[in-house]
Amino acid sequence: DAGVIQSPRHEVTEMGQEVTLRCKPISGHDYLFWYRQTMMRGLELLIYFNNNVPIDDSGMPEDRFSAKMPNASFSTLKIQPSEPRDSAVYFCASKGNRGSEKLFFGSGTQLSVL
Amino acid sequence: GQNIDQPTEMTATEGAIVQINCTYQTSGFNGLFWYQQHAGEAPTFLSYNVLDGLEEKGRFSSFLSRSKGYSYLLLKELQMKDSASYLCAVFDTDKLIFGTGTRLQVFP
Repeated sequence: DAGVIQSPRHEVTEMGQEVTLRCKPISGHDYLFWYRQTMMRGLELLIYFNNNVPIDDSGMPEDRFSAKMPNASFSTLKIQPSEPRDSAVYFCASKGNRGSEKLFFGSGTQLSVL
Repeated sequence: GQNIDQPTEMTATEGAIVQINCTYQTSGFNGLFWYQQHAGEAPTFLSYNVLDGLEEKGRFSSFLSRSKGYSYLLLKELQMKDSASYLCAVFDTDKLIFGTGTRLQVFP
């Protein structure tokens, strides 16, 4: 298995632009998580899905952030409009069903908003 | 609320033993994880404790006390490649909540 695949690896954009981050979970995994990592706040859970349905989006910082999972093999995290304080590493992770609690992380997207 | 505490930084010498502590207060508990994260890389799984006691895996061991809300990660025979951040995380219902991590530096 190729593991969790994220794209792009690096994104540099200007304030006000729309940013879309992409994730392909491990095939057969039922859960998908989006995290954001900064030096100050560590790894923060933004939102997670179970069977493509958003379960908890309480970590999404503002309405500028949105996430979708149109099918079991693809998810997006969108920031519109982007701001410099959104600069961080964004990780996607997936796991199997209950009883299989280990999370597998993608390589992350390093986002810089200028 | 949810609160996971661990030291920000630790240093140790190659060949030594180091213990990284983690205390937690969460509304739910389905297990505790330790992840290792090298600079610029994704977190990778180290250990999972759901019952009280010690789990040993090679040079790494992890301990859990649910009644005390306490865990530690023990690293033996430290090597230079063990220099990394170590993240304590609690499974609360269906979601994994992370502490801010402990940055470990191993010196020769």
